Amino acid sequence: DTEVTQTPKHLVMGMTNKKSLKCEQHMGHRAMYWYKQKAKKPPELMFVYSYEKLSINESVPSRFSPECPNSSLLNLHLHALQPEDSALYLCASSRLAGTYEQYFGPGTRLTVT
Amino acid sequence: SQQGEEDPQALSIQEGENATMNCSYKTSINNLQWYRQNSGRGLVHLILIRSNEREKHSGRLRVTLDTSKKSSSLLITASRAADTASYFCATDYAGANSKLTFGKGITLSVRP
Repeated sequence: DTEVTQTPKHLVMGMTNKKSLKCEQHMGHRAMYWYKQKAKKPPELMFVYSYEKLSINESVPSRFSPECPNSSLLNLHLHALQPEDSALYLCASSRLAGTYEQYFGPGTRLTVT
Repeated sequence: SQQGEEDPQALSIQEGENATMNCSYKTSINNLQWYRQNSGRGLVHLILIRSNEREKHSGRLRVTLDTSKKSSSLLITASRAADTASYFCATDYAGANSKLTFGKGITLSVRP
């Protein structure tokens, strides 16, 4: 199984809502990533987890809170978001962190109203 | 910025023609990767070339790497309408600690 799944596919939330994005992989990968992508722009790295430990936080605002409950799951908890946070949120995994190809999920299209 | 730069930004070709896309980067790398993204979808890994390699092939794809010029090219031969997508180069900079840095991307349109 070489698939990374993400749920939900689409999410609309108000600025006072709390929601979570979910990502799952069953490839035995030990590194997982969250990226944010705005229209016609490249993906921007947000967080890296290696062996279920947060190894990189790219100075992401605290209204985004990642969680890695186990080696297959990655969550992104959202709270008090701003309209400018509307974007495609991509999850990816790789065998290990570092010099390996990354496998991406289809993304969650988030709209903050 | 250490971000890679692709060239051209947009490319439109006829089906059956070859498409060549270029990527330049600024500092030493461990490897360089190419990804494809269909509109609004996740990225798909195409090929990885390490800093000590000069050329790699995968099906209709050919990637070259010139570390002296800090540049890479992606050649897609005999293009198909299904190749229409955005293409990104991504660099793993030496000392970047597990981070991939994506270029701005190239939009390829293949006309049937």
